[in-house]
Amino acid sequence: GAGVSQTPSNKVTEKGKYVELRCDPISGHTALYWYRQSLGQGPEFLIYFQGTGAADDSGLPNDRFFAVRPEGSVSTLKIQRTERGDSAVYLCASSLTSYNEQFFGPGTRLTVL
Amino acid sequence: AQSVTQLDSQVPVFEEAPVELRCNYSSSVSVYLFWYVQYPNQGLQLLLKYLSGSTLVKGINGFEAEFNKSQTSFHLRKPSVHISDTAEYFCAVSDLRNQGGKLIFGQGTELSVKP
Repeated sequence: GAGVSQTPSNKVTEKGKYVELRCDPISGHTALYWYRQSLGQGPEFLIYFQGTGAADDSGLPNDRFFAVRPEGSVSTLKIQRTERGDSAVYLCASSLTSYNEQFFGPGTRLTVL
Repeated sequence: AQSVTQLDSQVPVFEEAPVELRCNYSSSVSVYLFWYVQYPNQGLQLLLKYLSGSTLVKGINGFEAEFNKSQTSFHLRKPSVHISDTAEYFCAVSDLRNQGGKLIFGQGTELSVKP
């Protein structure tokens, strides 16, 4: 079956611009996670959804970052007033429930010039 | 809060040699432990996991790991590596019972298998 998909695969933007990154989880998975992976680092947790609600957003670095999952399936990570330090690969993962294995998407590589 | 330390950033090894990738964690609560592999230009893939039970866990592609609670370690091993094992390996922990399954990752170990 289809895995987790993320679009776009690459996004180049200018400092100060707004970007949206999309995640399509595996069908039926209720839990969805966003991570950020900077060059040479391990993935860093950003936010976790259980259904439509954000159950834990403790990893969001500041209020420029926001994520939604309005229908409990697709999620969008939104970054306002992008900064060069936001450049990273943004990973999405989903799991059947929060107690199951997480399946990762291929990531979106964000470059802020 | 949990944290993960992968003691080696790079591990070069010759084909068919054994390999051990080291992982230590710290946590004030019981954790679940994972190893993920990331092949070039691909997403993270679960290699193996320890949730409970036997401390020796076997995963895909001939990898295994041993949970050592007293040493807070979860080292990954393979008795004979192949060129195709060249990848980045990440150790991760989770407190599934209280934190909704979010994973805390180490910084990764780059395994480079040479012919």
